[in-house]
Amino acid sequence: DTEVTQTPKHLVMGMTNKKSLKCEQHMGHRAMYWYKQKAKKPPELMFVYSYEKLSINESVPSRFSPECPNSSLLNLHLHALQPEDSALYLCASSNSGSRETQYFGPGTRLLVL
Amino acid sequence: KNQVEQSPQSLIILEGKNCTLQCNYTVSPFSNLRWYKQDTGRGPVSLTIMTFSENTKSNGRYTATLDADTKQSSLHITASQLSDSASYICVASSGGSYIPTFGRGTSLIVHP
Repeated sequence: DTEVTQTPKHLVMGMTNKKSLKCEQHMGHRAMYWYKQKAKKPPELMFVYSYEKLSINESVPSRFSPECPNSSLLNLHLHALQPEDSALYLCASSNSGSRETQYFGPGTRLLVL
Repeated sequence: KNQVEQSPQSLIILEGKNCTLQCNYTVSPFSNLRWYKQDTGRGPVSLTIMTFSENTKSNGRYTATLDADTKQSSLHITASQLSDSASYICVASSGGSYIPTFGRGTSLIVHP
């Protein structure tokens, strides 16, 4: 199984809402990532979890809150987002280390009204 | 500063033709270089990954080359198909870092 799954596929939320994005992989990967991608731009790294611990936070605003409940799951909690946060949010996983290929999920298309 | 530059920005070809996409990278210390294919609104899918000791790697109709001396890579697509229409992203990683450097991608359109 070389699949990373993400739910939901699409999400529309208001600026006062609280929502969560979910990511799951069963490849035994110990590194998981959240990326944000705007149209016609490359993905921008947000967070990296390594062995279920947050190892990198790329200066992401606190309205984005990651969580790694176990080695297979990665959540991204959203609260008080702004319209400019509308984007495709991608989850990825890899064996630990930069030498390994990152496997991406299909993404969640988020629209903030 | 680590950088990845891709060319051309966009490319239109006829179905059945070959094409080559270019990637120049400045990443230190260099660990590996990957090519991804991304369909609109979907997550990137890995095509190839190469370390500094590899200079060619194939995946079906996709062949990637790497010249670690000139810090250049190319992705050659043979006998293009309509389904090849997508963005092709070059990604370089440095040793010991989880933070890859993405190129801006080449948008490929294959016309019938």
